[in-house]
Amino acid sequence: GAGVSQSPRYKVTKRGQDVALRCDPISGHVSLYWYRQALGQGPEFLTYFNYEAQQDKSGLPNDRFSAERPEGSISTLTIQRTEQRDSAMYRCASSLRSQGARSEQFFGPGTRLTVL
Amino acid sequence: ELKVEQNPLFLSMQEGKNYTIYCNYSTTSDRLYWYRQDPGKSLESLFVLLSNGAVKQEGRLMASLDTKARLSTLHITAAVHDLSATYFCAVDNSGGGADGLTFGKGTHLIIQP
Repeated sequence: GAGVSQSPRYKVTKRGQDVALRCDPISGHVSLYWYRQALGQGPEFLTYFNYEAQQDKSGLPNDRFSAERPEGSISTLTIQRTEQRDSAMYRCASSLRSQGARSEQFFGPGTRLTVL
Repeated sequence: ELKVEQNPLFLSMQEGKNYTIYCNYSTTSDRLYWYRQDPGKSLESLFVLLSNGAVKQEGRLMASLDTKARLSTLHITAAVHDLSATYFCAVDNSGGGADGLTFGKGTHLIIQP
């Protein structure tokens, strides 16, 4: 079956613009996670959802970042008034459940965001 | 704050040799994951370790978890070139009230013929 998909794969924007990054999880997966990965580093947790409920947003860097998953499937990560320091690979992951043996997270291909 | 440390961060080894990558973490957790990442690619799940003493093997890779020591190891047996990649361990944050993962910095592994 299809894996996690993300769009766009590449996004170049000017400083101050808003961007919206989309994640389509594996069908039937309850939990959806957003991470940010800098070059040469491991992914950094941003936020996650169970169904449509945002369970934890402690990793969001500041209030310019927000995420939603209104129908419990597709999620959008929005960055307002982008800054150059926001440039990174944004990765989405999904898992069947958030705990226990079904908590394995499967990652999407990522969206490479470049802020000029 | 949960911290995850991997060592070594860089490893160059010859085909046929054995080696171990170590992953230490700072707070109580009983869920640990190993991922592989090839250059320019996404992360591929290798192992899910859910309890103290868990051991899993896939081909030339074997992972283990000691929750009391807060240590996981990824052992490579008779390495082959195809195993060259960056390997990440990740620990679940649920002890801190979240189910996101905290990743180590990764071990960049190069296996030379």
